[in-house]
Amino acid sequence: RKEVEQDPGPFNVPEGATVAFNCTYSNSASQSFFWYRQDCRKEPKLLMSVYSSGNEDGRFTAQLNRASQYISLLIRDSKLSDSATYLCVVYNQGGKLIFGQGTELSVKP
Amino acid sequence: EAQVTQNPRYLITVTGKKLTVTCSQNMNHEYMSWYRQDPGLGLRQIYYSMNVEVTDKGDVPEGYKVSRKEKRNFPLILESPSPNQTSLYFCASRRASDTQYFGPGTRLTVL
Repeated sequence: RKEVEQDPGPFNVPEGATVAFNCTYSNSASQSFFWYRQDCRKEPKLLMSVYSSGNEDGRFTAQLNRASQYISLLIRDSKLSDSATYLCVVYNQGGKLIFGQGTELSVKP
Repeated sequence: EAQVTQNPRYLITVTGKKLTVTCSQNMNHEYMSWYRQDPGLGLRQIYYSMNVEVTDKGDVPEGYKVSRKEKRNFPLILESPSPNQTSLYFCASRRASDTQYFGPGTRLTVL
């Protein structure tokens, strides 16, 4: 079983839709969690950190469920510019960053 | 401007011809890593370094070498490149459990 798993998609949604991604992790001692965004052929960039209490940044909401060992990312009112691959990233107990394979999102007009 | 730089950005070479991809960061980060990204396989860590003169293997180290003589630089060396090393390579740096910053990537083709 992979340490971090994501649905690879692609998710094809119309503009204005709400879309949610889930990510599961296997190591219950994992400490920190992030969502990164990667545009085609470019470097991944931090989208947002994920806190135990959940956090929101504009149209983006991230949540952590430690009991079920998953994190989620919700995007409301999708824009064309949201089209990208979204990477779930987990710091494990040893301080190593583990990346999910990414979920591809395509927002259509 | 805080950044991670890599050079070259694009490289086409032939099997067996030694090459070095440079990586430099100006954020005084302790941790630096090299990744390769291939379709369907995601980001895989090649080597990482926790500080000067401290390096360790990642998940796919075969065929690669690194060095960390200075805090800011972390070059990736391919002594004898082979076609299966054709990939998109990213250098990255961070502090402990903090945000990781990536370089712009190096697209390598080995013929």
